[in-house]
Amino acid sequence: AQSVTQPDIHITVSEGASLELRCNYSYGATPYLFWYVQSPGQGLQLLLKYFSGDTLVQGIKGFEAEFKRSQSSFNLRKPSVHWSDAAEYFCAVGSRASGGSYIPTFGRGTSLIVHP
Amino acid sequence: DAGITQSPRHKVTETGTPVTLRCHQTENHRYMYWYRQDPGHGLRLIHYSYGVKDTDKGEVSDGYSVSRSKTEDFLLTLESATSSQTSVYFCAVQPTETNYGYTFGSGTRLTVV
Repeated sequence: AQSVTQPDIHITVSEGASLELRCNYSYGATPYLFWYVQSPGQGLQLLLKYFSGDTLVQGIKGFEAEFKRSQSSFNLRKPSVHWSDAAEYFCAVGSRASGGSYIPTFGRGTSLIVHP
Repeated sequence: DAGITQSPRHKVTETGTPVTLRCHQTENHRYMYWYRQDPGHGLRLIHYSYGVKDTDKGEVSDGYSVSRSKTEDFLLTLESATSSQTSVYFCAVQPTETNYGYTFGSGTRLTVV
């Protein structure tokens, strides 16, 4: 069964600083990987996804992630954090399920705190 | 937001009562999902649907049932609510069979007292 580990429960950065959120996955086949963001009181929004091809994936809001198969990692990065980036971030790995559906397994999330 | 509406947005109910949460989508998506979100656990899949009347269990399905009698509605029922089912419930849709980026609703906060 697949699993996702986000080692950092909380991360604090200063506005304007760079950011890297860690994600490690366990999956037997080629993984489908995702990063989602959740603002307080909201649902999750897809930031970016990786299925195949270029291992550096660009997403919305200036985020990018790099897939490293040898390290089973899919870390999320942003060169300069804005106060509005403060949120909960979830990494997920997906697998096929019944009827052509597709089930992501989510990590427990990393809470990003941005100091002015 | 793929036209996803969850109702109610908030609900307080008593232990032992039945509760039904509704997820409504307007874009004819085939695949729909119910998750619960709890602190320290991330999101866990309860049930999912891959078509009208086609559903399957997820990781934490005990105590929950679902129904999908038409494409646009996916109902989650707690047959007899317990305090352990206090949570935030999210509905999600998968846009197509090959587009695996979910779109989530805004959630229902359920409190069982």
